[in-house]
Amino acid sequence: ETGVTQSPTHLIKTRGQQVTLRCSSQSGHNTVSWYQQALGQGPQFIFQYYREEENGRGNFPPRFSGLQFPNYSSELNVNALELDDSALYLCASSLVGLVYEQFFGPGTRLTVL
Amino acid sequence: SQKIEQNSEALNIQEGKTATLTCNYTNYSPAYLQWYRQDPGRGPVFLLLIRENEKEKRKERLKVTFDTTLKQSLFHITASQPADSATYLCALDLSNTGNQFYFGTGTSLTVIP
Repeated sequence: ETGVTQSPTHLIKTRGQQVTLRCSSQSGHNTVSWYQQALGQGPQFIFQYYREEENGRGNFPPRFSGLQFPNYSSELNVNALELDDSALYLCASSLVGLVYEQFFGPGTRLTVL
Repeated sequence: SQKIEQNSEALNIQEGKTATLTCNYTNYSPAYLQWYRQDPGRGPVFLLLIRENEKEKRKERLKVTFDTTLKQSLFHITASQPADSATYLCALDLSNTGNQFYFGTGTSLTVIP
């Protein structure tokens, strides 16, 4: 059984650019959530996807968007990058019915210059 | 707005002692509360979930309590070991349906040999 994987590990972008981060869920998991974690802070919930549709959203602007694919992999897209978007982006997968047991990936470290 | 607070200072304890971490929340009545462990540069790892109708839950050397009147959860690690050194995060499900999680800022624990 493979765990949650994310790519890339690190990424450097400049303000105004767009970025796509990828996540591969743990085998058998059909729900994926994305989080933003700034240095020294706890993860902040961005949104959750289930059955390829957004199933819940935190307090993030529309320039943060996502996709979930039939194989349960997922993407996080951020448009018009701002300096404050610099953070560790985490995805977490879980099973419907067991959504409280989230399995996190190692994260993608995004730096916006 | 919802607020969740954890021990604001880092916690240093001697090996073998019991570590007690605090999670306080306001303006909300969660049905579930979770605890995670996070090591530097890695994603959080799920440890325990406690429901509002459970006063206490144990897993090996870990014990969690949940007082919905005080709006507080306590997380205990007994017979602490240096390997327990990490940041510990508590999390609430704002939706009570598993699709909107809110994390505290975490407490950094160091167990001194």
